[in-house]
Amino acid sequence: AQSVAQPEDQVNVAEGNPLTVKCTYSVSGNPYLFWYVQYPNRGLQFLLKYITGDNLVKGSYGFEAEFNKSQTSFHLKKPSALVSDSALYFCAVRMDSNYQLIWGAGTKLIIKP
Amino acid sequence: DAGVIQSPRHEVTEMGQEVTLRCKPISGHNSLFWYRQTMMRGLELLIYFNNNVPIDDSGMPEDRFSAKMPNASFSTLKIQPSEPRDSAVYFCASSLQGVGYTFGSGTRLTVV
Repeated sequence: AQSVAQPEDQVNVAEGNPLTVKCTYSVSGNPYLFWYVQYPNRGLQFLLKYITGDNLVKGSYGFEAEFNKSQTSFHLKKPSALVSDSALYFCAVRMDSNYQLIWGAGTKLIIKP
Repeated sequence: DAGVIQSPRHEVTEMGQEVTLRCKPISGHNSLFWYRQTMMRGLELLIYFNNNVPIDDSGMPEDRFSAKMPNASFSTLKIQPSEPRDSAVYFCASSLQGVGYTFGSGTRLTVV
């Protein structure tokens, strides 16, 4: 069965430190992987995606993610966290049979000044 | 492009009333998704259309929920009759060939 796991409900990071939000997936075939961010009382905003090509993907707001096929992971990273990065982050994988996305449960990222 | 447009932004209704949520996808996108988000259950896919045809409605909670997409530029999600447990934020998203997904700002539904 296809699935996405975000093992951490919450991640706390001090401002200026690097951050990582973890995502692992299980999907048959070649995965299409996505990260979205949701700020309070807002819709989901696209951050970045991996479809093919370089394993390191750069996205919006200084975020990047590394596709690791052997570990079936797509962790979201940022070298230096900002307080404004505090939000809910979702990882998703597209099913290979259609255009549906399988979503992780979300990780709340809290950046402390 | 104005993005995915949902209306209304907020809806408060009494139990038993009919509620209709509306969505205008991005022009040219061929897939449309309705999601529901709650604290308890997170983000749930309700129904998915491709080229205006419903492909998967297995996420629709019960017969009180129905969705239509009469053309490529408009979709509705209807709840009749509404119940307090339907209170949630409902999102519409559209996509072109599944390589990018754009969400609307959502409709916050409160059923009292």
